Amino acid sequence: EAGVAQSPRYKIIEKRQSVAFWCNPISGHATLYWYQQILGQGPKLLIQFQNNGVVDDSQLPKDRFSAERLKGVDSTLKIQPAKLEDSAVYLCASSRVAGRLTDTQYFGPGTRLTVL
Amino acid sequence: AQKVTQAQTEISVVEKEDVTLDCVYETRDTTYYLFWYKQPPSGELVFLIRRNSFDEQNEISGRYSWNFQKSTSSFNFTITASQVVDSAVYFCALTRGSYSSASKIIFGSGTRLSIRP
Repeated sequence: EAGVAQSPRYKIIEKRQSVAFWCNPISGHATLYWYQQILGQGPKLLIQFQNNGVVDDSQLPKDRFSAERLKGVDSTLKIQPAKLEDSAVYLCASSRVAGRLTDTQYFGPGTRLTVL
Repeated sequence: AQKVTQAQTEISVVEKEDVTLDCVYETRDTTYYLFWYKQPPSGELVFLIRRNSFDEQNEISGRYSWNFQKSTSSFNFTITASQVVDSAVYFCALTRGSYSSASKIIFGSGTRLSIRP
């Protein structure tokens, strides 16, 4: 079974530029998550999708961050415009069962973003 | 409010030593779940264990064991006879047992474990 795929693995941009990350979850997984992991900290949930609907985006800075999950499969996370404090690893995860945070989440390798 | 504290920022031991990673949590829920994840240098978080609040039995999986004590709100992780491949950052996490729009997974800040040959 293929794991969660993410691209790019690394991205360096100047502040105020835009950037987009892509995630392909494990086939058949209903729930998809985006996390932000700042260096030295644990992951923080940004947004959770159940199929193609948003379940929780309460910690997503909506003035600059946006995310979508097309057809309930792939997802993109966009930052526009980026700030220095957005430098972090962005992790995508998926889980099989819809609507259960207790279900095991499988994580991708992450995208390391550096904002200069 | 929910909170997970991993007071040990970094631990370094010599190979074959036993090592325990501490995790203390706070929650007002009676039903909740606790997790441990491993993050090797490659960056992916690897699921290790999930334990619900009603199951206080200790669990052993090979060289790994977990000690869950509700009385002290702790869910500690022990690696016996550590190996260099165990070197990673380990995260403890907590979530509510019942789904609601307010449910979130809360991760601790992680413990970086280095195993020296």
